[in-house]
Amino acid sequence: DTAVSQTPKYLVTQMGNDKSIKCEQNLGHDTMYWYKQDSKKFLKIMFSYNNKELIINETVPNRFSPKSPDKAHLNLHINSLELGDSAVYFCASSQVFGSENEQYFGPGTRLTVT
Amino acid sequence: GDSVTQMEGPVTLSEEAFLTINCTYTATGYPSLFWYVQYPGEGLQLLLKATKADDKGSNKGFEATYRKETTSFHLEKGSVQVSDSAVYFCALSAGGYNKLIFGAGTRLAVHP
Repeated sequence: DTAVSQTPKYLVTQMGNDKSIKCEQNLGHDTMYWYKQDSKKFLKIMFSYNNKELIINETVPNRFSPKSPDKAHLNLHINSLELGDSAVYFCASSQVFGSENEQYFGPGTRLTVT
Repeated sequence: GDSVTQMEGPVTLSEEAFLTINCTYTATGYPSLFWYVQYPGEGLQLLLKATKADDKGSNKGFEATYRKETTSFHLEKGSVQVSDSAVYFCALSAGGYNKLIFGAGTRLAVHP
């Protein structure tokens, strides 16, 4: 059973389009995250939700909007896609607050904007 | 702000060689420290962690010790295998929101 799953795995689209990436976790965790990995493999947090409430919102363009319909899901919607949005996006989850808690990562969604 | 610095790669080793990947951090407070591994085409997996000074994390032959005096968390393995080829990320988490801050990653290539 996959712990953290993302769909789609690959997404190719044109500039200006709007797209969504979905994430689901079956670990019973109450905190979920979105990270962006650029072409040089650098990883940076974008958002975090705890019990459907936004708790971390890094300096991300407002074209990116996370949505958490319930504790097990955190989706990422991107409006007006730009070339610079091309990256691998990872969803993750962890149990409660606390810096010692391990985060579990999904397999990633590779977004290519042409 | 908090940050993590890793040695640049790629690191290329022969099978059974000794591995060290250096990691140092800057943080206010008392962060937890992690090593994550990313195999080709996959997501990140936790390799090991340490939550307080002098703790040693270990897993699959890898180990790292939380050194507060040198703000370091170097990853070591006594004898690497081809299957260890991957990208290794050092990360810290500080504060209650459990935000992971990653180093740039170090690619390891192990040849037979």
